[in-house]
Formats: sequence, structure tokens, C-alpha cells
Amino acid sequence: GDSVTQMEGPVTLSEEAFLTINCTYTATGYPSLFWYVQYPGEGLQLLLKATKADDKGSNKGFEATYRKETTSFHLEKGSVQVSDSAVYFCALGGSTDKLIFGTGTRLQVFP
Amino acid sequence: NAGVTQTPKFRILKIGQSMTLQCTQDMNHNYMYWYRQDPGMGLKLIYYSVGAGITDKGEVPNGYNVSRSTTEDFPLRLELAAPSQTSVYFCASSYRQGNEKLFFGSGTQLSVL
Repeated sequence: GDSVTQMEGPVTLSEEAFLTINCTYTATGYPSLFWYVQYPGEGLQLLLKATKADDKGSNKGFEATYRKETTSFHLEKGSVQVSDSAVYFCALGGSTDKLIFGTGTRLQVFP
Repeated sequence: NAGVTQTPKFRILKIGQSMTLQCTQDMNHNYMYWYRQDPGMGLKLIYYSVGAGITDKGEVPNGYNVSRSTTEDFPLRLELAAPSQTSVYFCASSYRQGNEKLFFGSGTQLSVL
């Protein structure tokens, strides 16, 4: 069945460092792909999405490109801030009514 | 601008007790979902609903029940609480299918002791 695999955390970075969080997926057809972010004590919120191959989703300096050939949707940011500290979830929207989430990657950014 | 509202935020139950987690949304969304989040395990879907009067099981429905009598409300019922149900519970909604954007509540942290 459909599935999402994310790199394990925590990812620990200094402020202004480059961020990559890896996400790969397995799915039939052409799913939509999402990154959600969860700040401490809050629910998840959509960060960005891409609906077809080669699409790039972007928001708040974060980017991810839908790569069908490598079945990947890696999250990147050129310069992280302390306020980016959160848990990031990759998710897949396939042919059903439900999203499939990865296990989440905790990001910790230090000044 | 309330969005998805969950109550309570925290609860401690004794083994065997029952409780209902409340969830309401004011966006007129058809689709609603209950997830549980265990440390290091991501989100697991418990139940979902595609409209009033229609519910279906997710990945981990055992020990839970739901109802959807109105578009706005989607309560989750725990009948006989067990320690394995200690988790953080999130309610979510979306306008169309679940492969679109989900709006999440702020969660309920439940401990069963």
C-alpha cells in the first residue's frame, strides 16, 4: 500500500544553517504530496504542497520539489531560524479519502 | 476564525473509565478525522467521516467509537480506557477529500493510569 518514509530526527542545526529533511514515498498513481509543521503545543498546519511531478511547493522560505523519478519530496530551507524549531511531517494524498503521514522529524535550531 | 476546536486539552483517566473527546468545526467541512499521535510513531488514523451520518474505520479503531449527527461535530468516545490509549489525539477537517489540505485542532493529551 501507499506509504511515506522520513528521515529520523532530531535534526539539530545552528541558526542560518541549511536544512534538508528527506522524504520518500511509495504510491500507485499520482499522489499529492504535503509537508505539515507542528509547533510545540499546537496541532499540525499545512506548510506546503505539490500536486504533480516537477511541481515545487514553497512557503515561509521552505521549498520541496515533487520528484517522480526518485519518488521523493525533500524539504529544504536555505537559512533556518530559531523559530523554525518544530516537528515536520511529510504526507501523501493518494486515491483514498485519507492522508498518509510519515513519522515526523523534529528540528531543533540553536542561536 | 475558530476553525477546529477540541476539548478538553488535557485529561487523566483511570483504567476502565469512559470519556468523550469533543471536536467541532465552523468551516462547513464535509470531511472530519480523528488521529492519535504516539511518540516517534507519527499520526495514526482512528476514524473518519465523509459527511453527517457517515463514519468509517481508520487504521486503529479498536477501543473507540464515533458519531457524526451534524456537519459541525465529530465526537470520539472511549468506552473502557486502557493504558495503551495514552496518547495525544487530534481532530482534523477538510472541505473535500482527505488528500487536500487538512485543518487540525490543537489536540487533547490523554493519560490512562
